[in-house]
Amino acid sequence: EDKVVQSPLSLVVHEGDTVTLNCSYEVTNFRSLLWYKQEKKAPTFLFMLTSSGIEKKSGRLSSILDKKELSSILNITATQTGDSAIYLCAGGTSYGKLTFGQGTILTVHP
Amino acid sequence: DGGITQSPKYLFRKEGQNVTLSCEQNLNHDAMYWYRQDPGQGLRLIYYSQIVNDFQKGDIAEGYSVSREKKESFPLTVTSAQKNPTAFYLCASSPKAGSPYNEQFFGPGTRLTVL
Repeated sequence: EDKVVQSPLSLVVHEGDTVTLNCSYEVTNFRSLLWYKQEKKAPTFLFMLTSSGIEKKSGRLSSILDKKELSSILNITATQTGDSAIYLCAGGTSYGKLTFGQGTILTVHP
Repeated sequence: DGGITQSPKYLFRKEGQNVTLSCEQNLNHDAMYWYRQDPGQGLRLIYYSQIVNDFQKGDIAEGYSVSREKKESFPLTVTSAQKNPTAFYLCASSPKAGSPYNEQFFGPGTRLTVL
């Protein structure tokens, strides 16, 4: 059975802090690792990491895939209150199915 | 304006009733998915469909049924056989069936509460 585990499950920081969210996966026919941000309702896509693109960066957010360790991290620098959300990671298979982790609840205080 | 719509936003059901959640997309995506989200458990896959008139069970299909008669629509029925249906239900779609390199796009969700 495919499995994705995220840590920590929740995190409380102050504005300006840097945070690192972790994701480990055991996914048969693994092809991609995806990160999503969920604020109130629909998760919104952040990054997709594959063997041909193991590092992605967008503004204050960056992510790395470690295929040897079967894990990924999502870094957020200079956090803002608008970064408060649930961050979901998912392992993608060769046929397009995603297995999601439990999510990390990030709370950023002013 | 392209996107995925889900209705209703909130749904209340009495025990023993079947209810149907609507999901429509105008993105011309091939694949569609239904997930259930419970607190502390992330998203779990209920059913998915790669093509019209075909669908597969996900990890927690018991007590649910789906149909895919049109490319744009993938309704989910929560039957009375589902023992603990209170949850947040998310529908998603992705452009190409069976591709490992397409992200999934999500609708706004339906929150179902059993009274």
